[in-house]
Amino acid sequence: GAGVSQSPSNKVTEKGKDVELRCDPISGHTALYWYRQSLGQGLEFLIYFQGNSAPDKSGLPSDRFSAERTGGSVSTLTIQRTQQEDSAVYLCASSLGGYSPLHFGNGTRLTVT
Amino acid sequence: AQSVAQPEDQVNVAEGNPLTVKCTYSVSGNPYLFWYVQYPNRGLQFLLKYITGDNLVKGSYGFEAEFNKSQTSFHLKKPSALVSDSALYFCAVRGFSGGYNKLIFGAGTRLAVHP
Repeated sequence: GAGVSQSPSNKVTEKGKDVELRCDPISGHTALYWYRQSLGQGLEFLIYFQGNSAPDKSGLPSDRFSAERTGGSVSTLTIQRTQQEDSAVYLCASSLGGYSPLHFGNGTRLTVT
Repeated sequence: AQSVAQPEDQVNVAEGNPLTVKCTYSVSGNPYLFWYVQYPNRGLQFLLKYITGDNLVKGSYGFEAEFNKSQTSFHLKKPSALVSDSALYFCAVRGFSGGYNKLIFGAGTRLAVHP
């Protein structure tokens, strides 16, 4: 079946521009996560949505970052006024919630020039 | 706050030898522990998890992990390594913190299996 889909797969933007990254989770998955991975390093937690509950935004690095999840399905991560240090692979994952395993998308590679 | 430590940046093993990738954790309450693998140019894949019950859990591709509560560890093991096991391995813990129970990952350990 269809997995987690992220778009675009690659994004090159100029410093100071805004970008939007999209995640389509697996249908029926109530939990959705965004992580950031720099240069094959560890996964940095950004934000977590669980059903209709208020999201856990504790990992967002600055107020330039925001995310929303519409209708409990598609999620968009927005980075305003991008900086070079924002360059990374942004990973989205979804699950059935509880302690079900996460299913990851292939990520969006963001390069800020 | 919850945290995960993977003390080794890289582990080198000869093919056919046993391998261990180390993980220790810190969490309030009962820990829920996971291992994921990232192969080159591919997304992360779930390997195994510990929720409750038997301390030795078995997962995909012949991997297993042992939960040790007294040592707060969850080391990943395989009796006989394959070159194809070479990848980046992540330990993760889910625990209750700040009103949420999100999944937090370690920094990752790169496993290199040599022929």
